[in-house]
Amino acid sequence: QVQLQESGPGLVKPSQTLSLTCTVSGGSISSGSYYWSWIRQPAGKGLEWIGRIYTSGSTNYNPSLKSRVTISVDTSKNQFSLKLSSVTAADTAVYYCARGMGYYDSSGYYLYYFDYWGQGTLVTVSS
Amino acid sequence: EIVMTQSPATLSVSPGERATLSCRASQSVSSNLAWYQQKPGQAPRLLIYGASTRATGIPARFSGSGSGTEFTLTISSLQSEDFAVYYCQQYNNWPQFGQGTKVEIK
Repeated sequence: QVQLQESGPGLVKPSQTLSLTCTVSGGSISSGSYYWSWIRQPAGKGLEWIGRIYTSGSTNYNPSLKSRVTISVDTSKNQFSLKLSSVTAADTAVYYCARGMGYYDSSGYYLYYFDYWGQGTLVTVSS
Repeated sequence: EIVMTQSPATLSVSPGERATLSCRASQSVSSNLAWYQQKPGQAPRLLIYGASTRATGIPARFSGSGSGTEFTLTISSLQSEDFAVYYCQQYNNWPQFGQGTKVEIK
């Protein structure tokens, strides 16, 4: 059974960089065709996909966050990480890591939904 | 950008009754549509993918239908553990979620 666990600071100051790590257990992050993703949810609101990484290192980000987001992977540690720069109070949210599972379409794009999620970690942006 | 719109925002249903939730996409997403259930303080749980395929371990009372731009999640007979928020997600493009439907006890 695959399990994901987020870790990182729960409080970040405005204008600084939010950094989180997701540790994957119960399977190798390098096995299979999965897109490892970050998703966030402000209190009382809906879900927002932040971005994803494949174990090759290829990434794709939400256009609205692209200028501030970096996702990286460390296959030796079975982890992937999120950095979000220049944070404001609007970035306060529960941050989830998740496994993207799907298929390749006729154009070669990988289309994916999320079958495993971490429990989530609350990050508050405040001075 | 594809906009996902869920309706209603809140659905009041009595235990044992049927619940029907809707999700509309602003452009066709084929059958690349998933549904999730989220309870307070928990991560979302995958219910349906491919618009109509139940995920592993999901009870048969949950069913999904639709394609293109119109999708429905039906819970045939609501159990106490089904009262939660439900989200749809399209994956025909970069992943985008609807704003959710809260199913509450009537």
